[in-house]
Amino acid sequence: DAKTTQPTSMDCAEGRAANLPCNHSTISGNEYVYWYRQIHSQGPQYIIHGLKNNETNEMASLIITEDRKSSTLILPHATLRDTAVYYCIVRVAVTDKLIFGTGTRLQVFP
Amino acid sequence: GAVVSQHPSWVICKSGTSVKIECRSLDFQATTMFWYRQFPKQSLMLMATSNEGSKATYEQGVEKDKFLINHASLTLSTLTVTSAHPEDSSFYICSAQTGGNSDTQYFGPGTRLTVL
Repeated sequence: DAKTTQPTSMDCAEGRAANLPCNHSTISGNEYVYWYRQIHSQGPQYIIHGLKNNETNEMASLIITEDRKSSTLILPHATLRDTAVYYCIVRVAVTDKLIFGTGTRLQVFP
Repeated sequence: GAVVSQHPSWVICKSGTSVKIECRSLDFQATTMFWYRQFPKQSLMLMATSNEGSKATYEQGVEKDKFLINHASLTLSTLTVTSAHPEDSSFYICSAQTGGNSDTQYFGPGTRLTVL
């Protein structure tokens, strides 16, 4: 299973863009990169996913490098409610399993 | 996005009793559901994969006779913790997807189990 590496924690000022990096150097060609976040004592919330191309939705943008070995989740205008643990996950191709790593704890401050 | 519910949201039980947790997909049919466990200050750990109408597939180290999983319909999966002990106290979370390798998994809100 492809593993991901994320910084343990990051800070971001409210209103600024939050850029969360993720390394997944062993990703296979048919494996998707998924991002979820978890606010304390809640179930993970789906944010975005992608295979090769950059993706954007109402929550965030996902930038995937051309070699697919890393990606960046961008929250364009962080708010205090974006404080959470963000998980970058490479979805296992055959079994659809999501193997969670330790994630990045994002703290948005006023 | 799709909505997944869990019931109950929290439960306290005595050691030795069994507890059933329900996971429902409210606005879509889920061919596959997953069960996770999360201990305090730790990440989610996948326990098992449940496909509608077939036996669940358990991850290594998860006792299938202790954590009974039933996925009898396309909108409901249940996890029963049998003969619960204090070390089973945890946050149990389910997820559901419609199928296919590009389908998104949506997570329930979780169930907090406390075994006294």
